[in-house]
Amino acid sequence: GENVEQHPSTLSVQEGDSAVIKCTYSDSASNYFPWYKQELGKRPQLIIDIRSNVGEKKDQRIAVTLNKTAKHFSLHITETQPEDSAVYFCAASIPFNAGKSTFGDGTTLTVKP
Amino acid sequence: DTAVSQTPKYLVTQMGNDKSIKCEQNLGHDTMYWYKQDSKKFLKIMFSYNNKELIINETVPNRFSPKSPDKAHLNLHINSLELGDSAVYFCASSPRKEANYGYTFGSGTRLTVV
Repeated sequence: GENVEQHPSTLSVQEGDSAVIKCTYSDSASNYFPWYKQELGKRPQLIIDIRSNVGEKKDQRIAVTLNKTAKHFSLHITETQPEDSAVYFCAASIPFNAGKSTFGDGTTLTVKP
Repeated sequence: DTAVSQTPKYLVTQMGNDKSIKCEQNLGHDTMYWYKQDSKKFLKIMFSYNNKELIINETVPNRFSPKSPDKAHLNLHINSLELGDSAVYFCASSPRKEANYGYTFGSGTRLTVV
């Protein structure tokens, strides 16, 4: 089955700096890669996703890149703000696999004011 | 209106008891899931239902029994609760199983077994 590795497990940045979280996946059949943000005590929420026919996608301060050959994808947050502090999860999904997403272990991002 | 709602939000119970968690979605999605988030925040899939039909059953003890009376509801019943069952249980839904979409998660049920 699919295996997703996520790095780093913790990340601390100064407000205004950029943050990058990286994930690798094992199954080359995976074609959908969502990212979720989970604030303390809250539910995970989808913040951005990318499909395998696209190399990059951007939404304001958040961008995701995908390298299918290397089987890795990354989340980039620019101009970080304290409210970006949360646990971020990457995930990978194989088509026609009941919509099942395999999650990475999460990255705890702390943005220091 | 809450898109995916779970009850109860908190559940504290003794070892050996039986408990249920309920989930409802009003998004018209076909597919619903149960995920377990342990103390290290890892998210692991337990079950998935599509239009009331069980389609994913990961390696979960048979003390856990899901039930979907209709495609808008997915409940989780746990028998003979153990200390290791303590976790946050999230229900989630997605539009269809045939294609991949992001999940909408419920607010979670924090289960504590004492």
